[in-house]
Amino acid sequence: EDKVVQSPLSLVVHEGDTVTLNCSYEVTNFRSLLWYKQEKKAPTFLFMLTSSGIEKKSGRLSSILDKKELFSILNITATQTGDSAVYLCAGAGQNSGYALNFGKGTSLLVTP
Amino acid sequence: NAGVTQTPKFRVLKTGQSMTLLCAQDMNHEYMYWYRQDPGMGLRLIHYSVGEGTTAKGEVPDGYNVSRLKKQNFLLGLESAAPSQTSVYFCASSIPSGEAFFGQGTRLTVV
Repeated sequence: EDKVVQSPLSLVVHEGDTVTLNCSYEVTNFRSLLWYKQEKKAPTFLFMLTSSGIEKKSGRLSSILDKKELFSILNITATQTGDSAVYLCAGAGQNSGYALNFGKGTSLLVTP
Repeated sequence: NAGVTQTPKFRVLKTGQSMTLLCAQDMNHEYMYWYRQDPGMGLRLIHYSVGEGTTAKGEVPDGYNVSRLKKQNFLLGLESAAPSQTSVYFCASSIPSGEAFFGQGTRLTVV
């Protein structure tokens, strides 16, 4: 059975801190690992990772995949209060129409 | 630039009532999905479709039916609603092996 596990489940940091969110996965016929940000409403796409060791960056956010260890991390540097959200990790395999198998998410709160 | 649109956004049902949730996408995506999101459970796949006229069961399909008569629409039906189906429902669409785009969600309460 496919499984995606995120840690920690919740995190409180001060503005300016750097955070690392973790995601481990076991996905049959693995194709990609995706990160989403969810603020009250629909998840919004952050990154899709398919190859090991290649860092993807967008502003203060970055992510990398390790396909040997079945692991991904999402880093956020110089956190801002606007980064407060639930961050979702999902694995996609070639089964089930590439449907995303989500972890339970990491709830991040950035305090002023 | 609508993307993925869900209707309705909110609904309250009585136990035993039926309803249909509509998902429409304007990105010409082949694949469409229905998820439910419950506190502490993450997003769980209900049903999915890899093309017009095709549907398949996901992780939690019991109590739901779906139809994909047109490529742009994916309908989720509840024939006899139960309190356990109280949840937030998200529709998503994608190209094969691409990122999924989500609708804004439907908050359903069954009393």
